[in-house]
Amino acid sequence: EPEVTQTPSHQVTQMGQEVILRCVPISNHLYFYWYRQILGQKVEFLVSFYNNEISEKSEIFDDQFSVERPDGSNFTLKIRSTKLEDSAMYFCASGRDRGGETQYFGPGTRLLVL
Amino acid sequence: GQNIDQPTEMTATEGAIVQINCTYQTSGFNGLFWYQQHAGEAPTFLSYNVLDGLEEKGRFSSFLSRSKGYSYLLLKELQMKDSASYLCAVRDSNYQLIWGAGTKLIIKP
Repeated sequence: EPEVTQTPSHQVTQMGQEVILRCVPISNHLYFYWYRQILGQKVEFLVSFYNNEISEKSEIFDDQFSVERPDGSNFTLKIRSTKLEDSAMYFCASGRDRGGETQYFGPGTRLLVL
Repeated sequence: GQNIDQPTEMTATEGAIVQINCTYQTSGFNGLFWYQQHAGEAPTFLSYNVLDGLEEKGRFSSFLSRSKGYSYLLLKELQMKDSASYLCAVRDSNYQLIWGAGTKLIIKP
């Protein structure tokens, strides 16, 4: 069964450093998403991506964040200058269509900013 | 503002039935989802409701009333492996998923 994959599974970085989180969505999916979940808190929507551009983004997704689909398979989230409060689990998800029944989640990347 | 409320924690006995409620106030509605999340893992899809009524899928059922802004997830024949957090999420008018804080379900033998 196809699945969303994410790398790395864990990332530790120093405050102010740039990090890139990588995701490989399910191959025939067209809609891609990033979510984050701070430890013990609710899942929060960051951004959705379709047709090589951002379709929706939340207030959290400010100028320090960017997303890219550099090739036909990868979908990346870049955090330019990490802050302590960026420490969280970051989940990538993909779906066949915008109004589809579900989004399929990757296993997540646990980011720790020191 | 947008708000999704669900109980923080519930306890049930193995083999029993439990109902987890969710109420929501969102800007628009394009479907309600229930996800299961084990600690440290990604959410996994359980059910989807877009029309009023009950959707049944094996041991799990989900109910929706759009007029009341209300849903519940019903889990039957509880097993120890059902111990997890259950997340209610609503897709709003911008097709963003708005998430509840989750209900931690503890199953006792």
